[in-house]
Formats: sequence, C-alpha cells, structure tokens
Amino acid sequence: AQSVTQLDSHVSVSEGTPVLLRCNYSSSYSPSLFWYVQHPNKGLQLLLKYTSAATLVKGINGFEAEFKKSETSFHLTKPSAHMSDAAEYFCVVSVITSGTYKYIFGTGTRLKVLA
Amino acid sequence: KAGVTQTPRYLIKTRGQQVTLSCSPISGHRSVSWYQQTPGQGLQFLFEYFSETQRNKGNFPGRFSGRQFSNSRSEMNVSTLELGDSALYLCASSANEAYEQYFGPGTRLTVT
Repeated sequence: AQSVTQLDSHVSVSEGTPVLLRCNYSSSYSPSLFWYVQHPNKGLQLLLKYTSAATLVKGINGFEAEFKKSETSFHLTKPSAHMSDAAEYFCVVSVITSGTYKYIFGTGTRLKVLA
Repeated sequence: KAGVTQTPRYLIKTRGQQVTLSCSPISGHRSVSWYQQTPGQGLQFLFEYFSETQRNKGNFPGRFSGRQFSNSRSEMNVSTLELGDSALYLCASSANEAYEQYFGPGTRLTVT
C-alpha cells in the first residue's frame, strides 16, 4: 500500500539554525513527491516537487529536498531558519491507484522557530 | 495568473442545514480536488473532478457531493450538516491529475 510518514509531529529550531523535516514514503511505483507549507488559517502552498528528474530538488524560500530511493526518504531541509518559516509542513506522495492518481498526505510537521 | 479562489471564506451554519462552497481553479486547469481538514483527522480527500466528471472519491457519506461546470469551476455541497462537519474545506486545481496541485485559501465552515 502507498503511504507517507512524517517522522516528527513537532520540530523546534532556533532562528538561523538548520531545519530538517523528515518524510518517508512507501510506493510500489516511482512516485512523485511534494512538500507543502501551511501558515495559520491559510491554504497549502507548494514548496517543491520531485518528479523523477534530479534527486536534489530546490524549492522556494531556500528550502530543498533530496529524494533517496534506497532509504525511501524525501527529507526537507533549509540551511538557516527564519521566523517566517514557522508553519505546518506536509509531505505528499502522488501515486497511481486503479488507473487514477491519488494524493496521499502525511500527517504534518509543525515547525516552531525560536528567537 | 490568478490563483485558486474559494468563496465564501467563512461560513456559520446550524445543524441540519445545507451548504454550498465554490471553487474557481487556476485558468487552464481542468482538475479540481476537494479536501476536508480538521485537527483530529488531518487532510482528507473528498473528491476530484476533471472535465465535469467525478474521477475519484474519498470515503465520505453521500451527504457530501460536488459538481464541476464547463468552465472548470466547481462546487461542493454538504446536506444535513452535522457538528462534525466543522472544518476547513480546501480546493486544489491542477492541469491534470498527474501534475502538482495548487490550493486555494479554504472555506472555514463552522456548524453550531
């Protein structure tokens, strides 16, 4: 079965320190993977996507993610956290099921940035 | 390009009533998906429409329905509202189901 697991429900970092948000997926096929961010009372904004091209994907706002097939991981990183990065982050896998695509969401990781 | 728009942004209804939410996708996008987001259940897929046809459906009761018009705009309807229907309802559009989805700001529904 296809699934996505976000390993941490909450992550706290100090401003200016690196961010690591972990995501593991399970898929029978080569998946498309996405990271989205949601600020309070807002919709989801696409940060970056992996669709079987380069394994290191750069996104907006300085975020990037690396697709590691051997580890079935797609962790999100940023070298230096900013206060405005405080939000909830969702890892998403897009898979084909019975001939149609389906978006499977992780349970989210809430990032707190300390001053 | 304008983003995905959803109306209304906020709604308060009472139990037993029905509600209709609207979503206008990004110009040129033909796929529209709907999601329900609650603190307890997270993001749950409701249904997806493409060219006026429902292609995918999540595990929600028949009280939840939707449709898509020829201009790709979509509506979802919830009849006989229950307290548990209080949630943020998100609409997302994409050029096709295999592509990334772009989300609207959501409609916050409160059922009292």
